[in-house]
This record gives sequence, structure tokens and C-alpha cells, in this order.
Amino acid sequence: QITLKESGPTLVKPTQTLTLTCTFSGFSLITSGEGVGWIRQPPGKALEWLALIYWDDDKWYSPSLKSRVTITKDTFKNQVVLTMTNVDPVDTATYYCAHKLTLRLGQPGSAYDVWGQGAMVTVSS
Amino acid sequence: QSALRQPASLSGSPGQSITISCTGSSSDVGSYNLLSWYQQHPGKAPKLIIYEGSKRPSGVSNRFSGSKSGNTAYLTISGLQPEDEADYYCCSYAETSTEVFGGGTKLTVL
Repeated sequence: QITLKESGPTLVKPTQTLTLTCTFSGFSLITSGEGVGWIRQPPGKALEWLALIYWDDDKWYSPSLKSRVTITKDTFKNQVVLTMTNVDPVDTATYYCAHKLTLRLGQPGSAYDVWGQGAMVTVSS
Repeated sequence: QSALRQPASLSGSPGQSITISCTGSSSDVGSYNLLSWYQQHPGKAPKLIIYEGSKRPSGVSNRFSGSKSGNTAYLTISGLQPEDEADYYCCSYAETSTEVFGGGTKLTVL
């Protein structure tokens, strides 16, 4: 059974760096094909894709956030970390991590099949 | 990279069928069969209901079905039930190794 859980600060000041950790179980990022993505949702608004990391350390980023976002993995701790620099109140959102379902090696994953519960982050002074 | 276009809201009565559209471009929806749909109830995490355009994960009701024509994908919910009232989002792989979500559709079951 795959589970994921997000952790990190609930309140961050503008211009600071936000670091969120996704701790997962039920799969390993050592295994070929596995991936974990980050998606956020501002209050009352739509989902927004942020970043994705695969078992082979291939990293994908949203073009609009690429300059501020970094995704890394710690395969031994079964964790994926999202770092966002220079945060602004518009970054206030619930941040989700999710498992990437990959059905065919060598091709992009098909969908996010298991999601964490989400972590609400408020950016305010 | 623009969000995929979805109707902001739709409504239907119990037992009816509704279809939600998700319009992209030849850079995403039109060129790849990596389109997924998610259902989100208030205060909950999204749930995968369709992947690769038309496939249902185990445990998802067969009242949910997906299709695609050109640059537009569709989610059809047949036999609407009160518990189908939720927000629905599409998501597609896009060229140059990115992904994009739709703006979401709020479904009301009258």
C-alpha cells in the first residue's frame, strides 16, 4: 500500500525559502519507473503542477516556477523535498505530493494515482 | 504554458449523464495519450478516476468514462449520484517534460 505525507512549516514570511518534505512508503525511488510529484492548490482555486522527480533523478519543473523551485530525493529516507525560494503571499496554498503511476519504462508516467493529505502553507508577514 | 480549459461549472440531476470537456493544444492533449482526470471533494485530496484518457483505476465506478477528440478530452459521468458532486480536474503531459492541469469544473448534482 502506497502512502505519502507532506510536512513543513505552516507559516512562512515573504522572501523566505519554503522547504516541504514528502515522506512516503510502499514504493522506493530506487525502483525503475517510480516518481513523485508536487502539486499545489491556492484556497478556492485550481490545482497547479509544480515539479516531478523520477527514480533516475530526472527532474521536471513548471516553466513558470522553474527559477524558484528545486526538487530533490533522498532514497534512503524515502523522502522527496521541494524547495521554493523568495516566497510571496500568492504562494499561499495547500501543497500536495503524489505518486506517479508509470506503466511503461522509458515513457512519461501516466497519472498521479496516490496523493498525500496535503500541507497548508501560508505566506504572510 | 497555459492551463487546460474546462468549464467552470456544470450541473445535472440524479440519474442524468454529464460531460466535462478539457481543451488543450497540439502540444499537450492533442499529441499525447497521457491525460488523467481527478475528482476532489471539499477539503480532500484529489482522487484519480481516469488515466491515459480512458482507463479506470481499480475501484472506480464504471459510471466514469473518458475519451478524446483532437485537442479536447472528455469525462462523462453517467447515472449521476449525489456523491458525484465535486470538483473535477484534467491533467496532461505536455512537450518538453512538463505537465499541466485544467482550471477545474465544479459539478453540482441538483
